[in-house]
Amino acid sequence: QIQLVQSGAEVKKPGASVKVSCKASGYTFSDYSIMWARQAPGQGLEWMGWMSVYSGATKYAQKLQGRVTLTADTSTTTAYMELRSLTSDDTALYFCARDKGVGPSIYWGQGTQITVSS
Amino acid sequence: QPVLTQSSSASASLGSSVKLTCTLSSGHSYYIIAWHQQQPGKAPRYLMKLEGNGNYNTGSGVPDRFSGSSSGAARYLTISNVQSEDEAEYHCETWDSNTRVFGGGTRLTVL
Repeated sequence: QIQLVQSGAEVKKPGASVKVSCKASGYTFSDYSIMWARQAPGQGLEWMGWMSVYSGATKYAQKLQGRVTLTADTSTTTAYMELRSLTSDDTALYFCARDKGVGPSIYWGQGTQITVSS
Repeated sequence: QPVLTQSSSASASLGSSVKLTCTLSSGHSYYIIAWHQQQPGKAPRYLMKLEGNGNYNTGSGVPDRFSGSSSGAARYLTISNVQSEDEAEYHCETWDSNTRVFGGGTRLTVL
């Protein structure tokens, strides 16, 4: 079955960086893209960016441009999201999802809680 | 880019029906959307894809109590015979040029 398993919760200090992993299984990893979204406490989902595993092409939300980087390792079928210069506004539950460019996000990771606190 | 607007909250009595709304911004009324259900602290669960003509396809294992419909720029999710486990947040999603857009989510309370 198709699964996306994310890394565990982390607590970071303001100004630090965090790198969240998303291990995919049950499908051909390079046939699909990965998108990342986050949900701050009490808020809706916010799209962060998209990466084509096949080509390495990326697209980022404008408000995160320059602070976020999406990568993927096809040898381990793992996608990564790195977010830098963290502030308390980045405290959220972070999700990866399988993406094919068009169509709904059907398969989601379980989420990774990132807390930014001094 | 389209914008999706949802009411922040809704309520329904056990066994009743409730209709949640997701409205597409002007000029985007033809967009296909998806509905997702999310329990607190959990990943969204895909419920259905809903077209502008009202056709919808539900995800695997989604009870037939969940249905979709459309009217103009509005996309609806109807839950019939509401159960306690339906208490959750409901998100709509659309997509364009490798970008995803989400509504603000509607928190459904079951009374």
